[in-house]
Amino acid sequence: DVVMTQTPPSLSVAIGQSVSISCKSSQSLVASDKNTYLNWLLQSPGRSPKRLIYQVSKLDSGVPDRFSGSGSEKDFTLKISRVEAEDLGVYYCLQGTHLPLTFGSGTKLEIK
Amino acid sequence: QVQLKESGPGLVQPSQTLSLTCTVSGLSLTSNSVSWIRQPPGKGLEWMGVIWSNGGTDYNSAIKSRLSISRDTSKSQVFLKMNSLQTEDTAMYFCARIRYYSGDYWGQGVMVTVSS
Repeated sequence: DVVMTQTPPSLSVAIGQSVSISCKSSQSLVASDKNTYLNWLLQSPGRSPKRLIYQVSKLDSGVPDRFSGSGSEKDFTLKISRVEAEDLGVYYCLQGTHLPLTFGSGTKLEIK
Repeated sequence: QVQLKESGPGLVQPSQTLSLTCTVSGLSLTSNSVSWIRQPPGKGLEWMGVIWSNGGTDYNSAIKSRLSISRDTSKSQVFLKMNSLQTEDTAMYFCARIRYYSGDYWGQGVMVTVSS
């Protein structure tokens, strides 16, 4: 199974600051169709996960452009510019290139 | 709009079988794939398996021997059955529509506790 190593495990940031979360995979996430199925999800407190970004850098509908994703092969980053209070929760990376789908261990974002 | 809703028993006895239903609306199961994902209390997410739009299935190898996912397209329902439940199967169980090999629409989840 592909292991997704996500860092840091937690972050505490002030409103308006920018943060980055890293996700590294144990195998290349480039699929046979040449797409890279790396996703980012946010689980707000008491809520179901919500996908923010798919295929490395594509924003889901309604997701603010303060969120951006980048990376390739085995190394990926989620950046949140100008953090807002509603951004708190646990962020997960998820790879969909290889079965079984596997998640990172999560990064808990707290607001100072 | 697309909605998914999980239902099932909140409490299951050890060694028994868990049966959950995911009822979808706003989409057809013949052209959409649905996964089950679970989350033990205070822990991360674990992908369990998927039923593809063509009716084929794939499972997490860690639980494959205990798990079955099926569907009734006429009722827009996806089913999960997992046998030989143990306390470590206590978790919130989610179903999600799979698009671009990840879940873009998720249900609210159903909490399942394994206890005697």
